[in-house]
Amino acid sequence: DTAVSQTPKYLVTQMGNDKSIKCEQNLGHDTMYWYKQDSKKFLKIMFSYNNKELIINETVPNRFSPKSPDKAHLNLHINSLELGDSAVYFCASSHFGAGGDNEQFFGPGTRLTVL
Amino acid sequence: ELKVEQNPLFLSMQEGKNYTIYCNYSTTSDRLYWYRQDPGKSLESLFVLLSNGAVKQEGRLMASLDTKARLSTLHITAAVHDLSATYFCAVAPTGTASKLTFGTGTRLQVTL
Repeated sequence: DTAVSQTPKYLVTQMGNDKSIKCEQNLGHDTMYWYKQDSKKFLKIMFSYNNKELIINETVPNRFSPKSPDKAHLNLHINSLELGDSAVYFCASSHFGAGGDNEQFFGPGTRLTVL
Repeated sequence: ELKVEQNPLFLSMQEGKNYTIYCNYSTTSDRLYWYRQDPGKSLESLFVLLSNGAVKQEGRLMASLDTKARLSTLHITAAVHDLSATYFCAVAPTGTASKLTFGTGTRLQVTL
């Protein structure tokens, strides 16, 4: 299936731990994103990579570190997890450029619960 | 900073009725997107609107864009229960093709 996939789907962990979320897309896109959706369903962009280069880096604690080994993968590593990090994290991908519609396709989400 | 406001935040409507969701944004944009999210699920792309006056329709949903008024609408015709979901608009400011700012979402509940 052509899609954006994320692992794991659920992540329950203790405060202070370090965890990673992985994302892969096989849509042939050159740009990938991480979004955070909080308990009120508000969605906010965190990071974006275009061809492995960081192009969007919003005001996010430096405990969050994205890594893009290639343009089909974008991982999110979170150090020293805090209660406020509990949320659903969505990965997305798109083509990038002025000429296209840059429609973003979203993965299934990773529900992170910090206890 | 770009602000994207949707109203209403919550909409309960009977099957068969028509209604419109509004999306206002605060800066110039040439790209506006509508997404649907079912509870506990991902976001599904509904419409991409790229120019002033753009109108797109899919089934009972029709989206339009007025870039001069900085307004997009999502019109629901003869609602059915299957349309119950949360609908988001998202805007990319002019010159920032990929940096989307999402609206607050409109939770639509269609009752029998």
